[in-house]
Amino acid sequence: ETGVTQTPRHLVMGMTNKKSLKCEQHLGHNAMYWYKQSAKKPLELMFVYNFKEQTENNSVPSRFSPECPNSSHLFLHLHTLQPEDSALYLCASSQEFGGGTDTQYFGPGTRLTVL
Amino acid sequence: GQNIDQPTEMTATEGAIVQINCTYQTSGFNGLFWYQQHAGEAPTFLSYNVLDGLEEKGRFSSFLSRSKGYSYLLLKELQMKDSASYLCAAMDSNYQLIWGAGTKLIIKP
Repeated sequence: ETGVTQTPRHLVMGMTNKKSLKCEQHLGHNAMYWYKQSAKKPLELMFVYNFKEQTENNSVPSRFSPECPNSSHLFLHLHTLQPEDSALYLCASSQEFGGGTDTQYFGPGTRLTVL
Repeated sequence: GQNIDQPTEMTATEGAIVQINCTYQTSGFNGLFWYQQHAGEAPTFLSYNVLDGLEEKGRFSSFLSRSKGYSYLLLKELQMKDSASYLCAAMDSNYQLIWGAGTKLIIKP
């Protein structure tokens, strides 16, 4: 596979469930990102990992927990979510965060519905 | 605060030209990006401008004026497949992308 892949593509969960989103990039990049995309709203940056180290956490509730075991893989662990967390969750990667002209490449996203 | 403004929706005719405007206010500036996003798909990179002027790439061109905090994406010879949302994003001094809500472009035959 090439580019950025995400699984699952669709997820429905109850508020008491625990689930994880997975992202994998095959571009040899060193930075990975989680974004939340809600209808008719700007993309919201959630987390940034650069060389496996978390560099940004934009005031995200603790019910979202990221994990980056290596530069190619990124997870978002979910627990005790709220209905307002329903959105498209996008993963992206780039050569290096803060590396000047750094273009981000996106995966297709996971459409999350919280009941 | 930091802000990106772009029109919510635009309609154009197949074969025509359309210009999508974007104004930005950011703390510092490290460039302006345009992405295309078809419904249910990943945003895909279209262009990057960091210096003033016009960058042309096939049917798509992007313009930047740093003094005015303004950019536009110009799409020529519109095709039905150009129906999508177009996202404008400015990179601030912390290298974070500040995103607009996107412009939904509808192409009519």
